[in-house]
Amino acid sequence: DSGVTQTPKHLITATGQRVTLRCSPRSGDLSVYWYQQSLDQGLQFLIHYYNGEERAKGNILERFSAQQFPDLHSELNLSSLELGDSALYFCASSVGRSSGNTIYFGEGSWLTVV
Amino acid sequence: GENVEQHPSTLSVQEGDSAVIKCTYSDSASNYFPWYKQELGKRPQLIIDIRSNVGEKKDQRIAVTLNKTAKHFSLHITETQPEDSAVYFCAASTPHYSNAGNMLTFGGGTRLMVKP
Repeated sequence: DSGVTQTPKHLITATGQRVTLRCSPRSGDLSVYWYQQSLDQGLQFLIHYYNGEERAKGNILERFSAQQFPDLHSELNLSSLELGDSALYFCASSVGRSSGNTIYFGEGSWLTVV
Repeated sequence: GENVEQHPSTLSVQEGDSAVIKCTYSDSASNYFPWYKQELGKRPQLIIDIRSNVGEKKDQRIAVTLNKTAKHFSLHITETQPEDSAVYFCAASTPHYSNAGNMLTFGGGTRLMVKP
């Protein structure tokens, strides 16, 4: 158990809908990261938050947004869902914000868009 | 941005043999290189990492080497066991000085199969 908690574990929704994925980082970690992993694909970096502020952005679609709250939990919002958004979404956390901090992954949220 | 290439994409070895996975990166500013093991449907788990001020690191049957000049790093697993079968990802961490962020860029992954 990495200490990073993600909910829900599984989610099935229809095209055009909106979903919210939730993440609680490890105790004491201030950074939260979101990654997308499609079937047979690698891990694509989406976004990094540190202590409530956005710090780095990857190839995140405009239909996707994220935020980190004062209690440090984070939410990833996916809207106008398309079939191609079906993937495993990982949240990860680390203590600090800079390069070199060990990053620990949660168990992921499986999203299926039908 | 950073680009990480990983080879081979699949690797099959006999139990007890060694396995080597190689990665190259493009951004000379990258300074931290972790390796993750991912079993089917599970989270990536950190197995070993190396920082840019070190050339080699070993942890039991696993070792990682880093060549900063050539911008490549490798994972070595000795005496492989069936439970080593998984997908292995290398990654490179690049500091974002403008915004003090941390972007971990992953290679495409290597599916390692250890045959009993």
